[in-house]
Amino acid sequence: GESVGLHLPTLSVQEGDNSIINCAYSNSASDYFIWYKQESGKGPQFIIDIRSNMDKRQGQRVTVLLNKTVKHLSLQIAATQPGDSAVYFCAEKWNYQLIWGAGTKLIIKP
Amino acid sequence: DVKVTQSSRYLVKRTGEKVFLECVQDMDHENMFWYRQDPGLGLRLIYFSYDVKMKEKGDIPEGYSVSREKKERFSLILESASTNQTSMYLCASDGTFNSPLHFGNGTRLTVT
Repeated sequence: GESVGLHLPTLSVQEGDNSIINCAYSNSASDYFIWYKQESGKGPQFIIDIRSNMDKRQGQRVTVLLNKTVKHLSLQIAATQPGDSAVYFCAEKWNYQLIWGAGTKLIIKP
Repeated sequence: DVKVTQSSRYLVKRTGEKVFLECVQDMDHENMFWYRQDPGLGLRLIYFSYDVKMKEKGDIPEGYSVSREKKERFSLILESASTNQTSMYLCASDGTFNSPLHFGNGTRLTVT
């Protein structure tokens, strides 16, 4: 299918290793942050979210870390699997709208 | 699970045609959104609606209009399709400010 984005940063990870995807956000007043996964030909799929009164939140195989001091988010995926291959976007929610990060393409090496 | 359904996965239309893209959500969400996604440009907000019959312009509303007659349905209208509107169109909904948007699988529109 058509690529979600041209010239996206790419992260290649060995199957079974942990993946860390980073994101810088823009608005210091944003207080809600979301990670999405987008597979080729599909819409973005919600993975995990975090509010600004937290610095860490865990889900199933995923962890989001928030550093408000440097306006940085990261998504950690444990024991990366072939099905994790996708483009990952962070987003900050401001009023009714989402402000999107550029996206990172995650490639899993067998 | 929230389900956002877009009526068509693929559409091919001719320049000048009027095009309707339909979106339905099943979670009684207040807010609905239309985005377009283009390689290298990311997701751009076209219009959103926070209530029935209410609409707000997003970042790129030119050439588009919307309709929200019922809470669950949000339609995007291209009054006169042009080739620069060839894109992937994504509908989304959410219930409150501090909740994630849930997206449909998109409609890939080609205008020839």
